[in-house]
Amino acid sequence: QSALTQPPSVSGSPGQSVTISCTGTSSDVGSYNLVSWYQQPPGTAPKVMIYEVSNRPSGVPDRFSGSKSGNTASLSISGLQAEDEADYYCSSYTGSNSVIFGGGTKLTVL
Amino acid sequence: QLQLQESGPGLVKPSETLSLTCTVSGDSISSRSYFWGWIRQPPGKGLEWIGSMSQSGSTYYNPSLKSRVTISVDTSKNQFSLKLRYVTAADTAVYFCARGSPTGTTTLNNWGQGTLVTVSS
Repeated sequence: QSALTQPPSVSGSPGQSVTISCTGTSSDVGSYNLVSWYQQPPGTAPKVMIYEVSNRPSGVPDRFSGSKSGNTASLSISGLQAEDEADYYCSSYTGSNSVIFGGGTKLTVL
Repeated sequence: QLQLQESGPGLVKPSETLSLTCTVSGDSISSRSYFWGWIRQPPGKGLEWIGSMSQSGSTYYNPSLKSRVTISVDTSKNQFSLKLRYVTAADTAVYFCARGSPTGTTTLNNWGQGTLVTVSS
């Protein structure tokens, strides 16, 4: 069971938009609308930003949005702010009550 | 406000058993139907789902760890626990406990702060 594939790093300037991809297979991302995205600043616990592909928990800015096409899910962040700089992880249901994470993407706000 | 706190030894010898406890405050583990889970993160690396347990006690494990992992609950103490047997240096990581949703741990809404466990002689 290999980790979902994410780009190691992305970057953008304040105010710009970035998109982070998360590629799985037809056995996980492609089969279930159960993709979540987590934000993890250094030295802290992850925080859920998106669940079930495109839903935002209360308190998460609407600058964060999620989508999915086939075996690839995406997290988009618009109007980048310095506070968005963190590691981002996707996760997906894989069946049989099992979950798999992506390898993580480091977002740098230039 | 729901809080989760991991506790346990920070150093474990190779081939021994890693034992961690997650103490839940602000809600009762047995009062509502949620899933509870463990996740780990080796230093400088990504997250790995270890396993989860339903409020009814059903357990689900990462296939790669299944032969060595046990997750259990002690409702009288409002705690759930992780045991990982026959550890090696590859098990060195920050271990997080978390609460999922009533349907599973595909969404982990509440996390503990994490505890570093080092496997070394």
